[in-house]
Amino acid sequence: KQEVTQIPAALSVPEGENLVLNCSFTDSAIYNLQWFRQDPGKGLTSLLLIQSSQREQTSGRLNASLDKSSGRSTLYIAASQPGDSATYLCAPAKANAGGTSYGKLTFGQGTILTVHP
Amino acid sequence: DGGITQSPKYLFRKEGQNVTLSCEQNLNHDAMYWYRQDPGQGLRLIYYSQIVNDFQKGDIAEGYSVSREKKESFPLTVTSAQKNPTAFYLCASSIGGVGTEAFFGQGTRLTVV
Repeated sequence: KQEVTQIPAALSVPEGENLVLNCSFTDSAIYNLQWFRQDPGKGLTSLLLIQSSQREQTSGRLNASLDKSSGRSTLYIAASQPGDSATYLCAPAKANAGGTSYGKLTFGQGTILTVHP
Repeated sequence: DGGITQSPKYLFRKEGQNVTLSCEQNLNHDAMYWYRQDPGQGLRLIYYSQIVNDFQKGDIAEGYSVSREKKESFPLTVTSAQKNPTAFYLCASSIGGVGTEAFFGQGTRLTVV
C-alpha cells in the first residue's frame, strides 16, 4: 500500500524566502505525481503535474522535481509571498500492471505554509 | 466557466439518515472521484468512476454508495451504515486515460448532529 510522507508538517517564513517542500512515497510504481494547494475550508487547486518519465516541471515561481526510483518529489517555491500561505499536498497516482493509471491518488498529510510580511 | 460544482457547501444530518452529496462537472471529463478528508489525515479515496455506468470502490467505500448515470454527474450517498460520516468531502475529475491531471471541486462539509 502506497504511503506518502510530507516534510516539514508546518513551515513559517518571512516574505521573500525560497522554500523547499519535501514529499516521499513508498511505492515507486507511479504513473505521475501531482502537487496541490489547499486554502482553509476550500477544495484543492492543482499546481503541477509531473509524469513519471519527467524529472521536473515548472510553473511561474514553482518548480517540482521527481526522483521516482528513490520515491521523492520536491516542490520549490521562489520568492515566497503572503498569498502563498496554504497547505501544500503531494499525490502520486499509482500505475497499473499494464502501465496505465486509473488516476487514483494517494495523498500525504500536507505541509502547512505560512508566509508573513 | 468550466469546472466542478459540489453542493451543498455545508450539510447537516441526523444520525440514522442517508444524505446525498452532489457533484457536477462541465469539463467533459470521463473519470470522476470522491475523496474524504479528516483533520490530521490525508485525503482518502471513497469511490471512482472511469466511464458512465461503471464505478469501483476505493479504500474506504464501506457505508457509501454512488451512481454514474450521466457523464457530468457523480453523486455520493452517505448511508446510515457509515459509522463516522462527519468529514469534508471532495469530488474530483480528470479526462481519463493515462497520466491526466485531476481537478477538484470546492467540497462539502458534512456534520452529523
